[in-house]
Amino acid sequence: DTAVSQTPKYLVTQMGNDKSIKCEQNLGHDTMYWYKQDSKKFLKIMFSYNNKELIINETVPNRFSPKSPDKAHLNLHINSLELGDSAVYFCASSQPQGSTEAFFGQGTRLTVV
Amino acid sequence: AQSVAQPEDQVNVAEGNPLTVKCTYSVSGNPYLFWYVQYPNRGLQFLLKYITGDNLVKGSYGFEAEFNKSQTSFHLKKPSALVSDSALYFCAVRDFDAGKSTFGDGTTLTVKP
Repeated sequence: DTAVSQTPKYLVTQMGNDKSIKCEQNLGHDTMYWYKQDSKKFLKIMFSYNNKELIINETVPNRFSPKSPDKAHLNLHINSLELGDSAVYFCASSQPQGSTEAFFGQGTRLTVV
Repeated sequence: AQSVAQPEDQVNVAEGNPLTVKCTYSVSGNPYLFWYVQYPNRGLQFLLKYITGDNLVKGSYGFEAEFNKSQTSFHLKKPSALVSDSALYFCAVRDFDAGKSTFGDGTTLTVKP
């Protein structure tokens, strides 16, 4: 049973396109996140949702729009893709308490050409 | 603002030797500290955490970490390294009020036979 699943695993697309990445968790967690891991493996938080409400938005270009239809899903839509958007995007979930660890999906490797 | 530093980009050890991966942190209150491991082409996996209590925390795969409040450190250790421990290790700190987790830049551990 996959706890946090993301689709697709790989995404290759041209500059200027619009794409979406989907994420689902079956852990019953209230909080979900999107992280970006760049080519140097640095991991940066992009968004956090708690029970479908946006609680963290870390200076991400507004071409990135998260959507949480319910607390088990957090999708990421990206408009007008740029070369610099190429990265691995990780979805994660946790309980809202600060003492709880996060569970990560396997990542979506986005390549913009 | 909270921050995490992993001063070593790379740690190399011989199989069977003890290993240490260093982490220091900065937070305004009491910290919640975590270690995660990332194997190639995988998402992050939780290893262990410090919440409160005993300064020596034991986690998965024989790893442990020591919380040192005076040195604001949370170093990851293992008495005897395995080749299969080779991976990218992230230290993270999380807000008390369940805000974002801040990750260090990661340390690549290589264990040689």
